[in-house]
Amino acid sequence: NAGVTQTPKFQVLKTGQSMTLQCAQDMNHNSMYWYRQDPGMGLRLIYYSASEGTTDKGEVPNGYNVSRLNKREFSLRLESAAPSQTSVYFCASKPDIRTGWGGYTFGSGTRLTVV
Amino acid sequence: EDQVTQSPEALRLQEGESSSLNCSYTVSGLRGLFWYRQDPGKGPEFLFTLYSAGEEKEKERLKATLTKKESFLHITAPKPEDSATYLCAVRGGGADGLTFGKGTHLIIQP
Repeated sequence: NAGVTQTPKFQVLKTGQSMTLQCAQDMNHNSMYWYRQDPGMGLRLIYYSASEGTTDKGEVPNGYNVSRLNKREFSLRLESAAPSQTSVYFCASKPDIRTGWGGYTFGSGTRLTVV
Repeated sequence: EDQVTQSPEALRLQEGESSSLNCSYTVSGLRGLFWYRQDPGKGPEFLFTLYSAGEEKEKERLKATLTKKESFLHITAPKPEDSATYLCAVRGGGADGLTFGKGTHLIIQP
């Protein structure tokens, strides 16, 4: 019963490098989300996907792209990393409201440092 | 624009000393107010969802309440293992996803 799995857990990038953060959920949830958490800022929504094949911008989408590969997987890509993207990134998922409601489930996070 | 303000930013209590954390919010069309617990280096862990004013939910030493403008997380006779950051979030009628407050960092001293 893994829930939401994020990889990698830690990453250090140089400015300008690219990378993809991976997220997978095994709860058959329709909606998936990417948040970033910065000291003193709280969690902020980057992108979300309400269902397979759809994605939408959140509060802070600039510098990021996403792909909803299938119902289980939602990846976040940094094409050209900047120091301002140093943060902790969390993936989350939510079930279809018609099938029950237990709150959004979060992964354990990816700690990214851009130098 | 949905907004969530949590107070205090930090709270230090003695073991057994009850207190309350506050979450004030403004949202267009509340579709849920959420409380999460976050331990250092971990992701947020779901505690409660409240949907309408007057609603209350309890779990062990925690009790969450909701009014039209704010929510309280009451902690009764806390233990050191209750030490964590408590996050409040709302889901409004606009875009999907949650709007979070900055959290209250709670320390329970033995």
